[in-house]
Amino acid sequence: EAGVAQSPRYKIIEKRQSVAFWCNPISGHATLYWYQQILGQGPKLLIQFQNNGVVDDSQLPKDRFSAERLKGVDSTLKIQPAKLEDSAVYLCASTGPGGLFNGELFFGEGSRLTVL
Amino acid sequence: QQQVKQSPQSLIVQKGGIPIINCAYENTAFDYFPWYQQFPGKGPALLIAIRPDVSEKKEGRFTISFNKSAKQFSLHIMDSQPGDSATYFCAARASGSRLTFGEGTQLTVNP
Repeated sequence: EAGVAQSPRYKIIEKRQSVAFWCNPISGHATLYWYQQILGQGPKLLIQFQNNGVVDDSQLPKDRFSAERLKGVDSTLKIQPAKLEDSAVYLCASTGPGGLFNGELFFGEGSRLTVL
Repeated sequence: QQQVKQSPQSLIVQKGGIPIINCAYENTAFDYFPWYQQFPGKGPALLIAIRPDVSEKKEGRFTISFNKSAKQFSLHIMDSQPGDSATYFCAARASGSRLTFGEGTQLTVNP
């Protein structure tokens, strides 16, 4: 079974530029999450989708971050304009039909963003 | 109240030692407590998890101890190996809400 796919793995941009990350979850997983992991910290949830609807985006900085999950499969996270403090690894995760009921989040390898 | 406090920040043990990582929480609505393991350049992966109706769960060399009254839980790694060197995150979740992660413990097991 293929895991969660993310791209690009690495991205370096100047502040105020824009960037987009892509995620393809495990086949059949209805719930998709984007997490931000700053160096030395635990992952922090940015947004959760159930199919193509948003379940929780309370911690998403909506003035600069946006995310979509068209057709309920893959998803894109965009940052525009980027700030220095956005330097982090952006992790995509998915869970199966039971959502977090069974507890296991399956993470991708992440997209490392460096903002200069 | 959504926080999970994890300690220590880093830990170095010799091969065969028993590293112990501790987590504490405040939210009594938390009903699920997983531990995730993360290797450099990889995403976190579920290691072991416990629910508050049991005080201990063991899977292979990994054991979670849970103290509901103290609102604390810990991860013990028996007979630790260099391959266990990784960052470990505790987490907690209340039913229907998001998973909250601790800050992580960087474990190094020396040969």
